[in-house]
Amino acid sequence: AQSVTQLGSHVSVSEGALVLLRCNYSSSVPPYLFWYVQYPNQGLQLLLKYTSAATLVKGINGFEAEFKKSETSFHLTKPSAHMSDAAEYFCAVSEGGSNYKLTFGKGTLLTVNP
Amino acid sequence: EPEVTQTPSHQVTQMGQEVILRCVPISNHLYFYWYRQILGQKVEFLVSFYNNEISEKSEIFDDQFSVERPDGSNFTLKIRSTKLEDSAMYFCATRVDADTQYFGPGTRLTVL
Repeated sequence: AQSVTQLGSHVSVSEGALVLLRCNYSSSVPPYLFWYVQYPNQGLQLLLKYTSAATLVKGINGFEAEFKKSETSFHLTKPSAHMSDAAEYFCAVSEGGSNYKLTFGKGTLLTVNP
Repeated sequence: EPEVTQTPSHQVTQMGQEVILRCVPISNHLYFYWYRQILGQKVEFLVSFYNNEISEKSEIFDDQFSVERPDGSNFTLKIRSTKLEDSAMYFCATRVDADTQYFGPGTRLTVL
């Protein structure tokens, strides 16, 4: 069975600082991994995905994530936070197959201080 | 850019009433999903639908829930007799390629 753990329900950074949001997964097969972002009162928007190609994945808005199989991690980073990055971020895993259902972590709320 | 749309954006209903949540998938997408997010909790998978039948459902998706694609465009989630604990944000998602699901903006269901 697949599962996701996001360490830290709330992360606060200063504008211009490094953003690091942690995600660890459990999967019985090589996983597909995703980061979604949810802005207030909006739906889930795909930030980036890992699907067994390059282990360093670049996404929208300057975010990237690195798949580390040995650590079962897929942490999300951005070198310099912007006020507009304030949102909730969800890591998700899929084991593929015929269904590709997603299992989500509990989410990390990112606040960016001026 | 094509988007998944959902209606209504907010539905308020009395306990025991039936509700139907609607989703319009991206036009060439073939796989459809419903997820829900209870306030303050994680997004949870409810059901997946392909080729006019359910391909997988979670423990949450009991006999009170049903899905259908009545007219080849809309994809609906019906809750026959709502309970207080059904209050949540319900997201529709669709995909065409091997992995990426695209989510709609959600319907907030409030059961009183």
